[in-house]
Amino acid sequence: GQNIDQPTEMTATEGAIVQINCTYQTSGFNGLFWYQQHAGEAPTFLSYNVLDGLEEKGRFSSFLSRSKGYSYLLLKELQMKDSASYLCAVRDWRQLTFGSGTQLTVLP
Amino acid sequence: KAGVTQTPRYLIKTRGQQVTLSCSPISGHRSVSWYQQTPGQGLQFLFEYFSETQRNKGNFPGRFSGRQFSNSRSEMNVSTLELGDSALYLCASSLGDTGDYGYTFGSGTRLTVV
Repeated sequence: GQNIDQPTEMTATEGAIVQINCTYQTSGFNGLFWYQQHAGEAPTFLSYNVLDGLEEKGRFSSFLSRSKGYSYLLLKELQMKDSASYLCAVRDWRQLTFGSGTQLTVLP
Repeated sequence: KAGVTQTPRYLIKTRGQQVTLSCSPISGHRSVSWYQQTPGQGLQFLFEYFSETQRNKGNFPGRFSGRQFSNSRSEMNVSTLELGDSALYLCASSLGDTGDYGYTFGSGTRLTVV
């Protein structure tokens, strides 16, 4: 099975940078995804990492270390609309398993 | 292009009834996965279909079943509904069967069992 841990809640200020960590334990690792989910809406795809290193996409970056079972999502220049739940999900040979999500609140 | 379409958006059912939910994937996507989302348990994997074949199944009782048609549309069925089945049911489609191209979610079906 899989075990995915991420902080339950985080708070940051508009314009700041925030890093959301995700640790996982799995067999047959086949990729790590980050999704954003606003309340009452569907999760939307942010990033995908399958090899070690940093993937950058505009204000969002995601990092993966397979040997450490560790990933983070970095959000820069925070905006109020970034207030949402951020879900880390790991794919093994069998399925995509989600963490419980990190609720990010961006304050003015 | 059209996204993932789930119908209906909202459902209210009584305990003991059964329900069928529908998911139409993005055109060209052959993989459809289903998830149950509740405040207490988060997003939990139900099953995944690829080219009409169930590839994987999560840890849910046999009351939860699904199928995929030749046009990649998928249905999920829950029989003998229980109060605990109240949840947001999400489906996601993917181009391939390994998710390398990401999973796109539909808006979900909000099921309330009373």
